[in-house]
Amino acid sequence: GQNIDQPTEMTATEGAIVQINCTYQTSGFNGLFWYQQHAGEAPTFLSYNVLDGLEEKGRFSSFLSRSKGYSYLLLKELQMKDSASYLCAVRDVQTGANNLFFGTGTRLTVIP
Amino acid sequence: KAGVTQTPRYLIKTRGQQVTLSCSPISGHRSVSWYQQTPGQGLQFLFEYFSETQRNKGNFPGRFSGRQFSNSRSEMNVSTLELGDSALYLCASSLEPTGANVLTFGAGSRLTVL
Repeated sequence: GQNIDQPTEMTATEGAIVQINCTYQTSGFNGLFWYQQHAGEAPTFLSYNVLDGLEEKGRFSSFLSRSKGYSYLLLKELQMKDSASYLCAVRDVQTGANNLFFGTGTRLTVIP
Repeated sequence: KAGVTQTPRYLIKTRGQQVTLSCSPISGHRSVSWYQQTPGQGLQFLFEYFSETQRNKGNFPGRFSGRQFSNSRSEMNVSTLELGDSALYLCASSLEPTGANVLTFGAGSRLTVL
């Protein structure tokens, strides 16, 4: 089966950098997604990694190591609006392209 | 370009009743997936439709069903509601269910079962 772990909650200071980790176990890894979800809103796509390495998109970066079953989302220059839940999701080739397995999410609180 | 639209946004039902939720995908998107989100379990996959065919189904009882219409709009139905069915039901669409296609989620339908 699939197993995805990420911390439940994190707190960081405005302007700082925060790293949200995600570890996974899956038999047919075929990509990892990060989504952001504000309370009461839809999850919105942040990043996609399928090969090892770092993907950078403005203040957000995502890293993947397939051999270690590990990814992280790096948020730089934190802003108050970054307070949200961050969801790690893995695609498994054996169960279908759009059957993503999600972690329970990391609730990030940015404080002044 | 309109996003994924889900209706209704909020609804309250009682045990034993049934409910139908609707999802209109982004124009041009042919794949629709449904997820259940609860605080303890996170997002869990319900089913996926493409070209009016169910391609995948998650580990949910037969009370949960769905369908997709020729215009790619989808509905899901939950019969004989139980208290544990209270959750946020999210619909997501993508161009096709392959490769790096990104799922775009709707805002969800929040179901409360009393």
